[in-house]
Amino acid sequence: GAGVSQSPSNKVTEKGKDVELRCDPISGHTALYWYRQSLGQGLEFLIYFQGNSAPDKSGLPSDRFSAERTGGSVSTLTIQRTQQEDSAVYLCASSLAGSSLAGTNEQFFGPGTRLTVL
Amino acid sequence: KNQVEQSPQSLIILEGKNCTLQCNYTVSPFSNLRWYKQDTGRGPVSLTIMTFSENTKSNGRYTATLDADTKQSSLHITASQLSDSASYICVFLLNTGFQKLVFGTGTRLLVSP
Repeated sequence: GAGVSQSPSNKVTEKGKDVELRCDPISGHTALYWYRQSLGQGLEFLIYFQGNSAPDKSGLPSDRFSAERTGGSVSTLTIQRTQQEDSAVYLCASSLAGSSLAGTNEQFFGPGTRLTVL
Repeated sequence: KNQVEQSPQSLIILEGKNCTLQCNYTVSPFSNLRWYKQDTGRGPVSLTIMTFSENTKSNGRYTATLDADTKQSSLHITASQLSDSASYICVFLLNTGFQKLVFGTGTRLLVSP
């Protein structure tokens, strides 16, 4: 595809429900990242995938959050038993490679999914 | 702790005017610094990239500067256009094993006709 796509673009759910957010990275990009952007806050790192494995999931805020990536492509971020503080924009990004040694390997961002927990 | 603070939080300028956005940081060590533009409802898009050893980098009407002594970066926008209305975020790439980014809170710019 031309860029990183995410679905749905908007999701409204009730407190306590589970939600799944999807990310389709740019074809051929081996690294994939999930971020959260809360109102008035900077982007917050959640998890990083290299291929199908997640070497760093240190940003996941609680065990209600999980993510997986299959086939080295699509990734799904799952939030169980959603809480109102989970309301935010969830952004996905991908890059050709994950190593910072590459220096200029730019992360390309999707448009995000706006999650509202009532 | 790695922290990135941006100022002002928001800014309104008239079309055609110049403006400068500031970024103060306590991030070390880092590989590079990017300024991103984020339109409403869209993901951030990279405008400029500088390594820690560079002082300035231009991309059209956008010029970024980096002062390692004062730990400040700025983004200067020349001859602003209505389409410049967006949030601008300074972002540091840490020297970790992978591309770990540290984001500023952003400056929301509104260019008024």
